[in-house]
Parts: sequence; C-alpha cells; structure tokens
Amino acid sequence: DAKTTQPPSMDCAEGRAANLPCNHSTISGNEYVYWYRQIHSQGPQYIIHGLKNNETNEMASLIITEDRKSSTLILPHATLRDTAVYYCIAMNTDKLIFGTGTRLQVFP
Amino acid sequence: DTEVTQTPKHLVMGMTNKKSLKCEQHMGHRAMYWYKQKAKKPPELMFVYSYEKLSINESVPSRFSPECPNSSLLNLHLHALQPEDSALYLCASSQEPFEGYEQYFGPGTRLTVT
Repeated sequence: DAKTTQPPSMDCAEGRAANLPCNHSTISGNEYVYWYRQIHSQGPQYIIHGLKNNETNEMASLIITEDRKSSTLILPHATLRDTAVYYCIAMNTDKLIFGTGTRLQVFP
Repeated sequence: DTEVTQTPKHLVMGMTNKKSLKCEQHMGHRAMYWYKQKAKKPPELMFVYSYEKLSINESVPSRFSPECPNSSLLNLHLHALQPEDSALYLCASSQEPFEGYEQYFGPGTRLTVT
C-alpha cells in the first residue's frame, strides 16, 4: 500500500470549510484513497473514498488531483463535533493501513 | 442497521486469565477485522476474516486467538496476556474483503492487563 503523508495538526473556525491535505505520491493506479476519522475514544468512522474522480457525500467532498499524487478532504461547514483525528489511507488490498493522521481542532 | 457492536466495553484481566472479546454485525458483511490501538497511536490491523475464513494474520502472538463462529460473529480469545497488550481493541466489518468497500468500526473494547 502507498504511504500517505498528512500534517500532524490543523485548526479551523466553526462554520468555515476545513481543507485537509494528503500526499500519496507513490500511489498506484488501482489504489483507492480512503478517509476515516476518529473522535476521541471512539471507533474510526468512514467518511469517503475515491479512485480517480472527485467524490461528494453528505459528510464531505474528496478532491483528487489529476496525477493522483495528492488529495484534499473538504468539510464544507465545520462544527465543534468535527474535532477528531482524520486519517488518509491509500488501499489496494483488504488491508487498511492507518498513518498518523491529522488532528483537526475546530474552535468556536 | 449499520452497527457493529462489541462486548464488553471495558475489561480488566490478570496475566494468567483467559477472556474473550466479542464482535457482532447484522449487515450481511462477509469480511470482519480485528485492530489494536495503543494510546495516541493509529489502529493496527491484527486479523482479517474473509467469508468466515482467516485470510490475514499480521504476525500476531499466539496469546491472541481469533475465531469466526458464523458470518455475524467474531471473537478474540485472550490468554496469558502481558501488560503491554493493554489497548483499545477494535472490530470492523465490510461488505466484501476487497478494496472499494468501506469498513464499519465498532466502539472498541478497552483492555487493561494487570
């Protein structure tokens, strides 16, 4: 599985968009990009995934660059409940290999 | 129902005890997973069950013994654990054991070995 690189922490004001970057420069053509988050002391929660095209669901949008070497998770209107560790994972088998993630702090 | 349940929520056991963790899903998922998460670290994969058969063992010590009695249930039997095995144990499931299918996680069992 390709290794991913994320900033260790980010801050975002409540109500603003949170843009979380992820670098996966060694990703191969059949590896999906997954995003999960983990709120303190809870199990990880699936957010979104994509292969080549940009994706949107009720939680977030995923923007994947054309060369697929990086992606951005966008939470359009962050709330205090979005404070969590966000994991970007490149996956091409049945294994999820979590990196160290980005700790997003949403402040009032 | 998109829920994965895990019991117990908390478990304290001595190094000579035998205990079991239980995980259940009723989503008809054919893949189930055990992860271990130490404090302030990301989850680490331990085992993968695919169609009720063990398909991946990430070189986990034999004091951890997984079991999949049926397609909805996953157990993790614990025996002769060490204090360093204290962690949050997470169970997950996915519709199929392949890429492209998201994993649903349970809330975890917080294990303390004394």
